[in-house]
Formats: sequence, structure tokens, C-alpha cells
Amino acid sequence: DGGITQSPKYLFRKEGQNVTLSCEQNLNHDAMYWYRQDPGQGLRLIYYSQIVNDFQKGDIAEGYSVSREKKESFPLTVTSAQKNPTAFYLCASSSGTANTGELFFGEGSRLTVL
Amino acid sequence: DAKTTQPPSMDCAEGRAANLPCNNSTISGNEYVYWYRQIHSQGPQYIIHGLKNNETNEMASLIITEDRKSSTLILPHATLRDTAVYYCIVRGGGTYKYIFGTGTRLKVLA
Repeated sequence: DGGITQSPKYLFRKEGQNVTLSCEQNLNHDAMYWYRQDPGQGLRLIYYSQIVNDFQKGDIAEGYSVSREKKESFPLTVTSAQKNPTAFYLCASSSGTANTGELFFGEGSRLTVL
Repeated sequence: DAKTTQPPSMDCAEGRAANLPCNNSTISGNEYVYWYRQIHSQGPQYIIHGLKNNETNEMASLIITEDRKSSTLILPHATLRDTAVYYCIVRGGGTYKYIFGTGTRLKVLA
């Protein structure tokens, strides 16, 4: 079935460690996104990519990095520079067209820093 | 980027219509309004979107004011399974950037 796969679903890390969250889509979508969600809060945009080998910072990019080497993959690295990384991370994709460009979301990755 | 504001919470009786408002006072002419909902700890689910005309699908109706500065999502016959957080977001017509609002926590009461 077509969709977005995020892994791992749960991840624990020690302070000072980098960690990479995987996001893969088989929807043939051009655009991909990473959002962060804190408990009881809305979604905040970290990074987004409109096309392979190109990406832009969202509202809270500090302490994160991404790459877009393949159309179907958009991994997110949470670096040790991110001061408060414990959160729920959501990946999404969209076709990017004007009228039917709704976002499709993965099931999320929950990161806990110990 | 246009920003949206929504009431933090609402209650609705089961079987009644749920009307969820969204203000987007800074919306520009080519920005679409999208509605999503999120059930606890899951990825948000697409509901409906529109530019300036009212829209209806099998899930909901979307009413957009003539000046486009506010919209209302209508769930015509709310059920307990409609209990969720509802987000109103805007997307720039010339960009791929989606900005989420604060969301409204809708509780459907039996």
C-alpha cells in the first residue's frame, strides 16, 4: 500500500548523542516535511523539501539537519545542539500541486532523551 | 506567512453539527485553507481544503467568508469518533510550506 513510513516508532537517546529519524514515502510525492509536536501543542515545521537535493528551514530548524538525496527519502538528524529534543516527530509528504496538495502523514517517531 | 487562530477547545453533543471556526486575518489571495484532525498520538488526517468557494465532501463542509479572513469547518452529524484536535492551516499557492495553527480540541459528548 502507498504511504509514509517512519522509523523507529520509539527512540531513546542519551544527552550529547546525535540520532537520525527515517522517513520513506512511496507516493511519488515531490515535497516532504518534518514537524515537531510537544505534548498538548500544535505542529511546528522543522524543515521541508520541495525537490531532491533541495530543502529549506522551517520555523524551528536550529539543532536539526536533513538531507534529500532521493525522492522517496527525507531523514532528519537531531543533533546534540538541539537543547530540548524530547518530542513527537512527524514526517509528511505532498504532491505539491495547487489543488490537491494535501499532506499525508506518517505515524510519527517519539524521541526521548534520557 | 499567514497565521491562523482557533479556539482551544469546544464541546458538541453527539448527532449535532460541530462548527469549528478559524481566523486567518493575514491570509493572502493565493493561500489555500486546509483542515486536518489528529487523534491522540497519530499522524494528522486530511479533511478538506478550499481557496475561496465553499466546499463539501463526505467528511465535512468548509465555509469560507467572502473576504477569506475566516473559515468554518462543519461536521454535520458529530459522532464520538470525531473527538480529536482539529487544525486549520494555510498553504501558500506558490509554495509548498504548510503552517499549522494552534488547533481546537473537539470533544463529542454522548
